[in-house]
Amino acid sequence: EAGVTQFPSHSVIEKGQTVTLRCDPISGHDNLYWYRRVMGKEIKFLLHFVKESKQDESGMPNNRFLAERTGGTYSTLKVQPAELEDSGVYFCASSQVWTGFGQETQYFGPGTRLLVL
Amino acid sequence: SQELEQSPQSLIVQEGKNLTINCTSSKTLYGLYWYKQKYGEGLIFLMMLQKGGEEKSHEKITAKLDEKKQQSSLHITASQPSHAGIYLCGAKDSNYQLIWGAGTKLIIKP
Repeated sequence: EAGVTQFPSHSVIEKGQTVTLRCDPISGHDNLYWYRRVMGKEIKFLLHFVKESKQDESGMPNNRFLAERTGGTYSTLKVQPAELEDSGVYFCASSQVWTGFGQETQYFGPGTRLLVL
Repeated sequence: SQELEQSPQSLIVQEGKNLTINCTSSKTLYGLYWYKQKYGEGLIFLMMLQKGGEEKSHEKITAKLDEKKQQSSLHITASQPSHAGIYLCGAKDSNYQLIWGAGTKLIIKP
């Protein structure tokens, strides 16, 4: 079974440009999460999809970030326009069943390393 | 807001030696996750603990959650080069979001 995949693995762009990150979750996983790790800081939650619906997007930094999950399969995270502070590693994770506080194993992709110059 | 503090920040251990990594929460933990990351790879799920006093083992890695459910430890016995990486603890906060510790970087010296 294929794991969570992310594309691209690395992206270097200039401030003001647009970048789109893609995540393909494990087949059959309804839950899809985006996280971000900025250099030197903890991993932070960005948002959570259940199928194609946004369950929780309270972690999105601002309106320059737009996440979509058309058809409840893959997801994209667009940053437009990118700023220097957006640099970091963006992780995607998926899980089969959301259980609130209960046991839920999230499977992570390798991440996209974004550098904004 | 809830925070997770990991210690130590980094660890260099001679191959074959044992080691312990700690994760402390400012609030009661409803579920504590341990993941491992290697550069260029995603986070690999190791274990999840939920009950006070719970202990789980996988190969040479043992994780425990204290009775008060505010502290967890990850213990590696007879460390090997394959254990090298960044170990992260995570827990769900009151909004069901996974929050994370800063990670512990483990280096194994041959």
